[in-house]
Amino acid sequence: KAGVTQTPRYLIKTRGQQVTLSCSPISGHRSVSWYQQTPGQGLQFLFEYFSETQRNKGNFPGRFSGRQFSNSRSEMNVSTLELGDSALYLCASTPGQTSEKLFFGSGTQLSVL
Amino acid sequence: GESVGLHLPTLSVQEGDNSIINCAYSNSASDYFIWYKQESGKGPQFIIDIRSNMDKRQGQRVTVLLNKTVKHLSLQIAATQPGDSAVYFCAEIIYNQGGKLIFGQGTELSVKP
Repeated sequence: KAGVTQTPRYLIKTRGQQVTLSCSPISGHRSVSWYQQTPGQGLQFLFEYFSETQRNKGNFPGRFSGRQFSNSRSEMNVSTLELGDSALYLCASTPGQTSEKLFFGSGTQLSVL
Repeated sequence: GESVGLHLPTLSVQEGDNSIINCAYSNSASDYFIWYKQESGKGPQFIIDIRSNMDKRQGQRVTVLLNKTVKHLSLQIAATQPGDSAVYFCAEIIYNQGGKLIFGQGTELSVKP
């Protein structure tokens, strides 16, 4: 069974631009979570989706948004990029409605110049 | 508030020795704890979990201990191998506070051959 797939693997953007990251969960998994990982802040929870509904949201500004499609694939969008948005963005999936035993992808490394 | 932190940011051990990675948490309402391993260039990988009604759980070469009295969690790795070199994160879930997974800052384990 294929793991969690995130695309693209690397991305370089400039301040003020917007970006969309994609995540394909493990087949059969209906819950997708997104995390931002930086050296200074560690792994910070962004949001969680289950069956196309946002179940949880972290403490990030409204520039960060996400959605989940009927096939459980998910996207997150960051508008008006800032230098501080440079980070590894990780997607994780799980079969049920809890965040137990999340399966993570390898992430998208976003660099904002 | 809730937070999960680690006592030691780095740990260096000799191959074959046992490793102990520690984690402190602040919220006595935490229901579930997980240890993740993250290798360079990869997303976190689930190692072992423990529920708050338990104080010990064993896996293959790994043991997690939970001391609720002092809000302390530890991961013990037996006969540490070079392949165990990675960053280890503890994480917690508090179900009545949304059930999202909250990560600690991480400990880097370096195994010397």
